[in-house]
Amino acid sequence: SQQGEEDPQALSIQEGENATMNCSYKTSINNLQWYRQNSGRGLVHLILIRSNEREKHSGRLRVTLDTSKKSSSLLITASRAADTASYFCATGETSGSRLTFGEGTQLTVNP
Amino acid sequence: GAVVSQHPSWVICKSGTSVKIECRSLDFQATTMFWYRQFPKQSLMLMATSNEGSKATYEQGVEKDKFLINHASLTLSTLTVTSAHPEDSSFYICSAGRVAGSYNEQFFGPGTRLTVL
Repeated sequence: SQQGEEDPQALSIQEGENATMNCSYKTSINNLQWYRQNSGRGLVHLILIRSNEREKHSGRLRVTLDTSKKSSSLLITASRAADTASYFCATGETSGSRLTFGEGTQLTVNP
Repeated sequence: GAVVSQHPSWVICKSGTSVKIECRSLDFQATTMFWYRQFPKQSLMLMATSNEGSKATYEQGVEKDKFLINHASLTLSTLTVTSAHPEDSSFYICSAGRVAGSYNEQFFGPGTRLTVL
């Protein structure tokens, strides 16, 4: 069963604006990852944050992790139309290698 | 590096037939491979975890006799949907795992869209 919940389920913004997506989870984790998926395509790995990290940056992406609240956020700054996609968080277990995916956020960036 | 391929990328079949989907790690050896299915506008649901040379571990609610998984080598896992029915129509995605320090990296294939008529 999915343990991750993401909000919002859908987000529509204008090009140039920032987009923030949130993810909550229920169990202890080793790491949390964010993926992007364009419609009908495979997953693209965006960023991984370990359980002992609080914030991570990669280009226009900023990810935060709050293990006390069991939540993470993905911020995309200066969004572009090409950022339009579904974004999923996935939690990695403390033991084993399974990933559990959140429900996803559909981001639409309007030109 | 770390490229995973799937074949075919899409398949249409008649109800009652079996369909085999291949997942290959092209430039690394994957001791573990994972199979997911994804319905339209939904998230990925893990179906099973397969380890090279041993039986796959299926998630609760996934019929192992319906979805046969074979992980014959460190670079190839196959998923066979047996006696497919329209409700099996879905997007099937595999991933190949590689140990990276304290966690297992997963590299995802491009997916296979199965349509059962």
